[in-house]
Amino acid sequence: DGGITQSPKYLFRKEGQNVTLSCEQNLNHDAMYWYRQDPGQGLRLIYYSQIVNDFQKGDIAEGYSVSREKKESFPLTVTSAQKNPTAFYLCASRRGGYTEAFFGQGTRLTVV
Amino acid sequence: QKEVEQDPGPLSVPEGAIVSLNCTYSNSAFQYFMWYRQYSRKGPELLMYTYSSGNKEDGRFTAQVDKSSKYISLFIRDSQPSDSATYLCARRRPTVYGAQKLVFGQGTRLTINP
Repeated sequence: DGGITQSPKYLFRKEGQNVTLSCEQNLNHDAMYWYRQDPGQGLRLIYYSQIVNDFQKGDIAEGYSVSREKKESFPLTVTSAQKNPTAFYLCASRRGGYTEAFFGQGTRLTVV
Repeated sequence: QKEVEQDPGPLSVPEGAIVSLNCTYSNSAFQYFMWYRQYSRKGPELLMYTYSSGNKEDGRFTAQVDKSSKYISLFIRDSQPSDSATYLCARRRPTVYGAQKLVFGQGTRLTINP
């Protein structure tokens, strides 16, 4: 089945640690996105990538990093520089030239 | 002013009612819009997408874009308790890098009461 897979579903991090969230898609989509969602809030864009080896900062990129070495993969690293990392993280992908974007099921990150 | 604004609600209606969910946008240059439904603790699910003005219908759902007032709407007919969720509107637009950015509203939390 085609889709977007985010892992893990739940992640706990100690303060000061870096963690990496995985996002893999087998839809052959060109564009991929990372969003953050806080309780009762909409989606805020962290990073996005239109093609392999290229990505741009979104609205809240500070404290995050990404890579796009393969078309199907767009991992997000939450660094210790991110002061308030506890949130629900969502990855999406979109086929080039099309409007509709599809989401994974999200990773809930909690700092303990 | 935010690019896409949405009343967060919450909105509560009886089962069978017609629901109207709305968003406004600030730039009329780019007219690609999407509506998503998000159940608690899940990823958003694409309901509909639309371009420019007019209506688009899919089953009980109708998406409408009004360019003159910069308003986008989602109507749900014969609402069901299973429609209870948060509804997000989104807009696709290009960036200076030639990529396409997706901008979301805050989401409206909807409850359908049996």
